[in-house]
Amino acid sequence: AQSVTQLGSHVSVSEGALVLLRCNYSSSVPPYLFWYVQYPNQGLQLLLKYTTGATLVKGINGFEAEFKKSETSFHLTKPSAHMSDAAEYFCAVRAGGYQKVTFGTGTKLQVIP
Amino acid sequence: KAGVTQTPRYLIKTRGQQVTLSCSPISGHRSVSWYQQTPGQGLQFLFEYFSETQRNKGNFPGRFSGRQFSNSRSEMNVSTLELGDSALYLCASTEPGTVNEQFFGPGTRLTVL
Repeated sequence: AQSVTQLGSHVSVSEGALVLLRCNYSSSVPPYLFWYVQYPNQGLQLLLKYTTGATLVKGINGFEAEFKKSETSFHLTKPSAHMSDAAEYFCAVRAGGYQKVTFGTGTKLQVIP
Repeated sequence: KAGVTQTPRYLIKTRGQQVTLSCSPISGHRSVSWYQQTPGQGLQFLFEYFSETQRNKGNFPGRFSGRQFSNSRSEMNVSTLELGDSALYLCASTEPGTVNEQFFGPGTRLTVL
């Protein structure tokens, strides 16, 4: 079985401040991990993914995430928030092979000018 | 390449009716997954099709069904609509391979009155 927990359904940061969105996962096998972003009235867009190898993954729009097996975490960060980062962010896990993808409940990011 | 397309984008139905939603994946993608997104439940996995076969299935009642055609296009059907079926239905396609991310369409917004 696999699951994802995103801590904080709403996060507010000031423009220029650090963005930190938390994601913890559960998987019985080495997982594949993803972060997606959703803007209003749109589908989801991939920000970054972890499969194997380097545990620090860089994505689009300046985002990155670090896979920490010992903490079963895959937190998303961005050094400096921009107004355009305001959106909903989803963490997802696929427990290898052809298993279904399980999404977290999402975190809405508000950026305050 | 063209992205994932979903039709229609918006739909209004009444209780008891049935509805069919369509999804055309990115050219070359053979896997199509469907999700239901609601404010209360987040993204819930419905089913996944690969080469016309259902590969994974979520925990939805039998009123929800789907199929995939030889050209990888997929449809999902909901019979005997209930008010709680109002949601954004998202389709995602994946390239062949086990670790590739899903590409999402813009969704179909279904409102059941």
